[in-house]
Amino acid sequence: GAVVSQHPSWVICKSGTSVKIECRSLDFQATTMFWYRQFPKQSLMLMATSNEGSKATYEQGVEKDKFLINHASLTLSTLTVTSAHPEDSSFYICSARDRSGRASTGELFFGEGSRLTVL
Amino acid sequence: QKEVEQDPGPLSVPEGAIVSLNCTYSNSAFQYFMWYRQYSRKGPELLMYTYSSGNKEDGRFTAQVDKSSKYISLFIRDSQPSDSATYLCAMGRSYNTDKLIFGTGTRLQVFP
Repeated sequence: GAVVSQHPSWVICKSGTSVKIECRSLDFQATTMFWYRQFPKQSLMLMATSNEGSKATYEQGVEKDKFLINHASLTLSTLTVTSAHPEDSSFYICSARDRSGRASTGELFFGEGSRLTVL
Repeated sequence: QKEVEQDPGPLSVPEGAIVSLNCTYSNSAFQYFMWYRQYSRKGPELLMYTYSSGNKEDGRFTAQVDKSSKYISLFIRDSQPSDSATYLCAMGRSYNTDKLIFGTGTRLQVFP
């Protein structure tokens, strides 16, 4: 199946610093990528929808100035957590939809996730 | 009330047992229903996908949707230790929907 790669898989940073997470579609072009956050024992919460070449669409309650999303190419979207605080510690997961319509079943291809720990 | 409710478990069963996982939902507009499997510290992977009401079978897995009751199920036959994971239900309004609503996930443990 299609592969979506995330990097880094685990990052620890100090409070106040910024962290960038990359999401790449390795074998297909993705006009749309999605960023989720998952806290322990909770469901995946959609944070934002990233569209190639345009501004991301953020879900209600998600601070766009804190979670910067850039989707500069059809295979790469980045999420930057700016001025991270301990409450931002979470598991961040991206997913992507195949531009060619392979996802006609509605399937989203998920990355492996990135675990962020803010000290 | 959450849009999608799912018992978080954990659910512990012996190898070979039949497992039943369930979700209820409140939004009657949902038409597409998915089940994802998520291993610890990994991203979710799609297991089953169904549209509207009915059953769908794939190997040891059977997905059922009862729209009248707003209730979906995933059955796993002959469960294996390798099935131990968290199972998330997800649903959306159209197959090109950009937004899936996920359940909290049910943690399943199959012991030998």
